[in-house]
Order: sequence, then C-alpha cells, then structure tokens
Amino acid sequence: EIVLTQSPGTLSLSPGERATLSCRASQSVSDNFFAWYQQKPGQAPRLLIYGASSRATGIPDRFSGSGSGTDFTLTISRLEPEDFAVYYCQQFGSSPGYTFGQGTKLEIK
Amino acid sequence: QVQLQESGPGLVKPSETLSLTCTVSGVSISNYYWSWIRQPPGKGLEWIGYIYYSESTNYNPSLKSRVTISVDTSKKQFSLKLSSVTAADTAVYYCARVEGPYKIFDYWGQGTLVTVSS
Repeated sequence: EIVLTQSPGTLSLSPGERATLSCRASQSVSDNFFAWYQQKPGQAPRLLIYGASSRATGIPDRFSGSGSGTDFTLTISRLEPEDFAVYYCQQFGSSPGYTFGQGTKLEIK
Repeated sequence: QVQLQESGPGLVKPSETLSLTCTVSGVSISNYYWSWIRQPPGKGLEWIGYIYYSESTNYNPSLKSRVTISVDTSKKQFSLKLSSVTAADTAVYYCARVEGPYKIFDYWGQGTLVTVSS
C-alpha cells in the first residue's frame, strides 16, 4: 500500500502570504493519478488539482501543483481568507486503489 | 448539473449492517465509476470502494471482507453495505463520482453522518 505523508500538519500564515504544502509518497506514484483537495468545515472535499499540476474547473490560478514520483507540492501564491481550510493529497494505484494523505490544516496566523 | 445525495439511517447498532444509498442526478450513471469515501469525526479521508455501472467493483483491502457496493442503473442509485460495524465505523460517509482518465473524485455528495452505538 502506498502511504502519503503530508507536511506540515498545521501551517499558520496570514492573508497575502504564500503557502507551500508538501505530500510525500512511500513509493513512486503516477503523476496522472495524483490530486489535491480542499475541505472546509462541514463540507465535502473539493477537487483543486488533478494530474499533479492541472487545475480543476473554477479553481483560481493562485493554486498550483507540481512534483512527480514521490514528492508533490501544492502552492497557493497569495492567500485569500477563503483559502484557510484542510488540504488533502490523494493517489490512485493498482492496490489498494486510493489512498489519501492525513491532511494539512492551513490556519490564519 | 451533477448532484449526488446520500441517504440512510444515521444510527446503527454495533454488529449490525450499515446501509446507505447515493442518488445521482444531472448525469447518466453509465460510463462512470462511483465511489464511497468516509471520514471519522475530526480525522482524515478513507476510501471504501468503487463500482462501475457494469457492476465491477474494487474495495479497500482493509474493509473488503465487510463491504458490498452495488448499483441500480434504472434508479440512478448506488449503494453501500458495511457489515459487523463497530464504533470505529462511525464517520461521515460520502459518495462521489470518479472521473475517468485521471481517476479523481470530481463530484461529491454532501455527506451523511452514521453513528454506531447501542
């Protein structure tokens, strides 16, 4: 089973700052099957990035994804108040199918 | 637009079977994979399994012995059954659509909290 480890667990920043979130896989994953989601309290997760670097429909261009193999990054160039949430990385592979990272909480400093 | 809505009991007794249904609207249930994902209170996301409209399935090995996912294309619904539940199965259960080429969860239901308690 591929384990995804996200860091940091909590990130405290101010609006307007740049956020860099990391996700490391225990073994190489396909870029095509790597994604990032945002989840706000009481809501379902929302797809942000797919294929490691493609923005989903309606996602602002301040969100960007990069990386390959075992190391992936989600960058938010200038934080807006609505960006403070929990972020999850996710991969799809042959076994057991899908795994998620444990999440990074982005909180207002 | 695509919408998914979970339904089912919010309280299940230990050792019994949890049963949920997801109703799909705005899109044909055919030609897509459909998935269940859960989230224990205050914790992260766990994939449960998915089904294709043709009824082929794939389950998380950690739950495989207790999970059954089925589909009813005529009703535009797919369902989850999780047997022998314990308190550890208490979670918000989400249904989601799997987008084809990238295998991403592009549409989600709002989620439904299922509590396992006597």
